[in-house]
Amino acid sequence: EVQLVESGGGLVQPGGSLRLSCAASEFTFSNHWMTWVRQAPGKGLEWVANINQDGSEKNYVDSVKGRFSISRDTGKNSVYLQMNSLRAEDTAVYYCARDLGSFYYDTSGENGYYYYMDVWGKGTTVTV
Amino acid sequence: DIQMTQSPSSLSASVGDRVTITCRASQSINSHLNWYQQKPGRAPNLLIYSVSSLQSGVPSRFSGTGSGTYFTLTITSLQPEDFAIYYCQQSYLTPRTFGQGTRVEVK
Repeated sequence: EVQLVESGGGLVQPGGSLRLSCAASEFTFSNHWMTWVRQAPGKGLEWVANINQDGSEKNYVDSVKGRFSISRDTGKNSVYLQMNSLRAEDTAVYYCARDLGSFYYDTSGENGYYYYMDVWGKGTTVTV
Repeated sequence: DIQMTQSPSSLSASVGDRVTITCRASQSINSHLNWYQQKPGRAPNLLIYSVSSLQSGVPSRFSGTGSGTYFTLTITSLQPEDFAIYYCQQSYLTPRTFGQGTRVEVK
């Protein structure tokens, strides 16, 4: 069964650090972008960061730039989120998700990929 | 960043009802629009990608339409298991922002 399992959450003081891990299984990890999404208590979903297949491209939401770092280890089929200088507003459940791309080529000649998150982990809770 | 705005924020409906949720983007996102369902205490679940493509295993009572900046998710004949929160998400540009969610509640 295709699966993502997050770990590393916990209680941390403001200004502290945590490293979240997400272990992937039963799919070719190196073929996929991977994403972290978070959800503060009682709030909606917030896209946090993603990383491409070889780790050469990373993107972040502005609120975590300079504090969070996403990385991956293909040998361990894992993606990580290093979180530094944590703030109370970083308190959330953090989900890891697999990105899947669907190629398109439209009549105007534009082509590319539609990306969507088709597999999610159960989440790990971070409390700051 | 692209802002995604859903309406309504919540709605009450009965089993068997037809429900429509709208999602507007602050700029054109072509067809880079996904819909997710989330139940309490659970991770989100992909329903629809690229506006109207139904994810494998998702019932056909779910459908999506739209392009550019205006999109809809429709549930025909609401079932008990459909009471949940629904989120749209654009994947046109990073950050790949979500709408604020629409809670579908029992009437």
